[in-house]
Amino acid sequence: DGGITQSPKYLFRKEGQNVTLSCEQNLNHDAMYWYRQDPGQGLRLIYYSQIVNDFQKGDIAEGYSVSREKKESFPLTVTSAQKNPTAFYLCASSSSDRESGANVLTFGAGSRLTVL
Amino acid sequence: QKEVEQDPGPLSVPEGAIVSLNCTYSNSAFQYFMWYRQYSRKGPELLMYTYSSGNKEDGRFTAQVDKSSKYISLFIRDSQPSDSATYLCAMRGRGSTLGRLYFGRGTQLTVWP
Repeated sequence: DGGITQSPKYLFRKEGQNVTLSCEQNLNHDAMYWYRQDPGQGLRLIYYSQIVNDFQKGDIAEGYSVSREKKESFPLTVTSAQKNPTAFYLCASSSSDRESGANVLTFGAGSRLTVL
Repeated sequence: QKEVEQDPGPLSVPEGAIVSLNCTYSNSAFQYFMWYRQYSRKGPELLMYTYSSGNKEDGRFTAQVDKSSKYISLFIRDSQPSDSATYLCAMRGRGSTLGRLYFGRGTQLTVWP
């Protein structure tokens, strides 16, 4: 089955540590995204990538980093510079047809990060 | 003003009720409108998608878009306990940055038996 796999599902981190969240897709989608979800705040865009070896900052990129070395993979690193990292992180992907209204996002199951 | 406004609820209704979920938006360039359903501790899944104004029906679900009022709605008929979830509206403009969706905060719905 095609889809998006995020791991780990739950992650605990001590303050000052960097952690990396994995996102893999087998949908052959060109574009991938990372969102952060906090209670009552909806989804906020962290980073997105439209093509391999290229990515752009979203609305809340500070304290995060990404890489896009392969089409299938878009890992997110939460660095120690992120002041309030406890949240639910969602990875998504979409096809590359910019003009198509059917260009909707497919989401993974999410990773819940808790800073101790 | 946020691009998309959505009442977070919570909304609690009895089984069989008609549910109305709404979003307003400020950007007149938005042309694609979506509703996502998110169960607790899961990723959102696409429920309905509409282009421009008008209605779209899929089983018990109806999506409406009124671009003149910058207002979209999702109606759920004969609601079931399995409909209990958070519903997120999302939208984008034509030709906007690929996949750059603008989300509402989500409305938490509980349907009790």
